Amino acid sequence: DVVLTQTPSTLSATIGQSVSISCRSSQSLLDSAGNTYLYWYLQRPGQSPQLLIYLVSNLGSGVPNRFSGSGSGTDFTLKISGVEAEDLGVYYCMQATHAPLTFGSGTKLEIK
Amino acid sequence: EVQLVESGGGLVQPGASLKLSCVASGFTFSDYWMSWVRQTPGKTMEWIGDIKYDGSYTNYAPSLKNRFTISRDNAKSTLYLQMSNVRSEDTATYYCTRIRRGCDYWGQGVMVTVSS
Repeated sequence: DVVLTQTPSTLSATIGQSVSISCRSSQSLLDSAGNTYLYWYLQRPGQSPQLLIYLVSNLGSGVPNRFSGSGSGTDFTLKISGVEAEDLGVYYCMQATHAPLTFGSGTKLEIK
Repeated sequence: EVQLVESGGGLVQPGASLKLSCVASGFTFSDYWMSWVRQTPGKTMEWIGDIKYDGSYTNYAPSLKNRFTISRDNAKSTLYLQMSNVRSEDTATYYCTRIRRGCDYWGQGVMVTVSS
């Protein structure tokens, strides 16, 4: 199975600060058709996960544009440009290039 | 508004069977692949499997394939997860998700606790 390693495991930020989360894959997520099936989710406390980013860098429906995704191959990054209070929670990356679909272990974002 | 509502969870003894349901609304259920994902008490996310829009094809995580079965009833807009011979490690919150650009919508989840 593909292992996704997220760093850091915990992140503490002040309102307005920009932060980045890394997701590194044990294998390239680029498939033979040139697609990279890497996604980012936010799980707020007591809620189910919500899609933030699909296919590495595309913003999900209704997601604020302070969120952005980048990367290729095995290295991917989620950036929040100007953290807001509602951004607290756990962020997960997920890959669907290789079966079975797998998730990272999560990055908890705390607001100082 | 897209809604996914899971039910059927609870406390179950090791070795027993359990069937979870997920009722979908707000979209044409029969147009979408659907999946089940679970989250352990330690917050680890694990993909269980998915099912084609017409129910003709399923994929499973290899470690769960022999005990879990995914099915659907498009007439009822309902997704199912049949769990058999459950173990303590199956204790988790189970989510159904719609598949489009990844898992674009998730239900609120249903808890399953396996304990004697």
